[in-house]
Amino acid sequence: DTEVTQTPKHLVMGMTNKKSLKCEQHMGHRAMYWYKQKAKKPPELMFVYSYEKLSINESVPSRFSPECPNSSLLNLHLHALQPEDSALYLCASSQDLQRKETQYFGPGTRLLVL
Amino acid sequence: EDQVTQSPEALRLQEGESSSLNCSYTVSGLRGLFWYRQDPGKGPEFLFTLYSAGEEKEKERLKATLTKKESFLHITAPKPEDSATYLCAVQAGGGYQKVTFGTGTKLQVIP
Repeated sequence: DTEVTQTPKHLVMGMTNKKSLKCEQHMGHRAMYWYKQKAKKPPELMFVYSYEKLSINESVPSRFSPECPNSSLLNLHLHALQPEDSALYLCASSQDLQRKETQYFGPGTRLLVL
Repeated sequence: EDQVTQSPEALRLQEGESSSLNCSYTVSGLRGLFWYRQDPGKGPEFLFTLYSAGEEKEKERLKATLTKKESFLHITAPKPEDSATYLCAVQAGGGYQKVTFGTGTKLQVIP
């Protein structure tokens, strides 16, 4: 099973709202990722977690706050977003960061910021 | 800096008309080259991982090949359900290196 699940599928929020995106995998993977994808563009890396610790932050604004409560779960907390943050947010996982391992993606959360 | 260039940007085929998508890459020490299929508004679906020049992998109507400078995704007798954007990505070796994606080839297969 190579399934990564994400909730919600769609989210509409105002610029003053606080919301969270959730990602879950049960493949025993120890690396998890958040990507942002704008229309007709490739995915753009935001954060990487390895063994529940933040390994990579690609200079993402602080209005995006990641959290990895355990090895199966990854959250992305959103606060005071801007309309330009509207995008498809993708979660991915891989076995770890050191091997020749493929990243498996979830279905994404379509976010609209009004 | 790692670079991935995919061509063509868009491809329109008749059902049954075989063709190839190209992915040219520049990376210092290839760890892996990945092919994904992405439907509109959905997450990328993993197709293949290739690790070294000369390697080939097949799945149904798709076959991926790898040389030292490029990869091809061959589509044999495509069907309308093969319509999607196909993404190529590479990962360099040497510790953790992030995956670099190409901008994709949008394939449309006409019945």
